[in-house]
Amino acid sequence: QQQVKQSPQSLIVQKGGIPIINCAYENTAFDYFPWYQQFPGKGPALLIAIRPDVSEKKEGRFTISFNKSAKQFSLHIMDSQPGDSATYFCAASWGTGGFKTIFGAGTRLFVKA
Amino acid sequence: KAGVTQTPRYLIKTRGQQVTLSCSPISGHRSVSWYQQTPGQGLQFLFEYFSETQRNKGNFPGRFSGRQFSNSRSEMNVSTLELGDSALYLCASSLFSRTGGSLHFGNGTRLTVT
Repeated sequence: QQQVKQSPQSLIVQKGGIPIINCAYENTAFDYFPWYQQFPGKGPALLIAIRPDVSEKKEGRFTISFNKSAKQFSLHIMDSQPGDSATYFCAASWGTGGFKTIFGAGTRLFVKA
Repeated sequence: KAGVTQTPRYLIKTRGQQVTLSCSPISGHRSVSWYQQTPGQGLQFLFEYFSETQRNKGNFPGRFSGRQFSNSRSEMNVSTLELGDSALYLCASSLFSRTGGSLHFGNGTRLTVT
């Protein structure tokens, strides 16, 4: 199965809250799991990424938790700010004679001031 | 370094016409991928080129084609446009290592088919 299932579709949190976005996959050949952030009118931009041999990675206020046995990974945004309001995509990639990345459906996050 | 540049930013075409979109990757990046983004389908992979060769292809009809030049610049062509081809077309370049890497996206070309 070459797809990544992302939830929720949309999320509203108060400033300072910790939104959590979840993703699940089936294909164990995936070996790289990035998250992208997209603002209106812009292309997605890499936020943070993790490899399956690591269970957690933090970069600033963003944390990825990875559960290899459950084939799930999630993004946590600590102390969320109105400027974090954007669409977030999880993704998975693998290389078989060339790299291919597939994306989750996206989560629209709105952080209320 | 300059980012990924896509031209034009906006296009309006009529059903049945064809269109060519252009992408200049980040200097030094040899892999260029194309994605179609729509509200209903999200980001769908079209194809990936590396050193002028198409290495991967998504599930799109043959009306969608692409090519990459020796300077890594890439073009995507859609022939016999249909209303459903209206979308944001994103180009991404990457510097993949053997173990994977990240995509650097341009801001896209918004295609409207009427």
